[in-house]
Amino acid sequence: TQLLEQSPQFLSIQEGENLTVYCNSSSVFSSLQWYRQEPGEGPVLLVTVVTGGEVKKLKRLTFQFGDARKDSSLHITAAQPGDTGLYLCAGFTGGFKTIFGAGTRLFVKA
Amino acid sequence: GAGVSQSPRYKVAKRGQDVALRCDPISGHVSLFWYQQALGQGPEFLTYFQNEAQLDKSGLPSDRFFAERPEGSVSTLKIQRTQQEDSAVYLCASSLAGEGSPLHFGNGTRLTVT
Repeated sequence: TQLLEQSPQFLSIQEGENLTVYCNSSSVFSSLQWYRQEPGEGPVLLVTVVTGGEVKKLKRLTFQFGDARKDSSLHITAAQPGDTGLYLCAGFTGGFKTIFGAGTRLFVKA
Repeated sequence: GAGVSQSPRYKVAKRGQDVALRCDPISGHVSLFWYQQALGQGPEFLTYFQNEAQLDKSGLPSDRFFAERPEGSVSTLKIQRTQQEDSAVYLCASSLAGEGSPLHFGNGTRLTVT
């Protein structure tokens, strides 16, 4: 059971376009992380957000944590083919579990 | 080592066979996690170790699944009497500390049960 809902499930865009993917939950998270996973590899951490309303930028990627710490978004500016991959959000609720969403599969065409 | 190492990378098992999947975490990492990732899905939590102690095994789908980390380093996930629904990628991750720390993943073991 996925407590984190990610949308869209799949996105195919042209190089140079902008996009936003979303991660929503009814649960409050003490922190939320975004990972990117490429085929045949494990997920790799992109960013961790901790404070409600927090915005973090990583080159062309902008991450936002919702004020209530229940949701997050990832915005990519001027997407490149190298951005292709599965984007996963992961929430930590306390205890020991980090829970993952089902992911958004992004394909950027050259 | 430089990263989390998992072996084997691929495992094909006949239904009913037992399998053992190995994880070598990053040296010094206290926390170790096992996740199961079905095709097209995100990783699903299986179990968590802090050093050699298994503190959470609530995600293990049945009593056919067993994990251990006897010396607080290498971990083994064992699946007995494999079933077709066990087919998935099994990911191991380690982190320096438990609460909300970044997870460092291995490349996984792809298990196919025929």
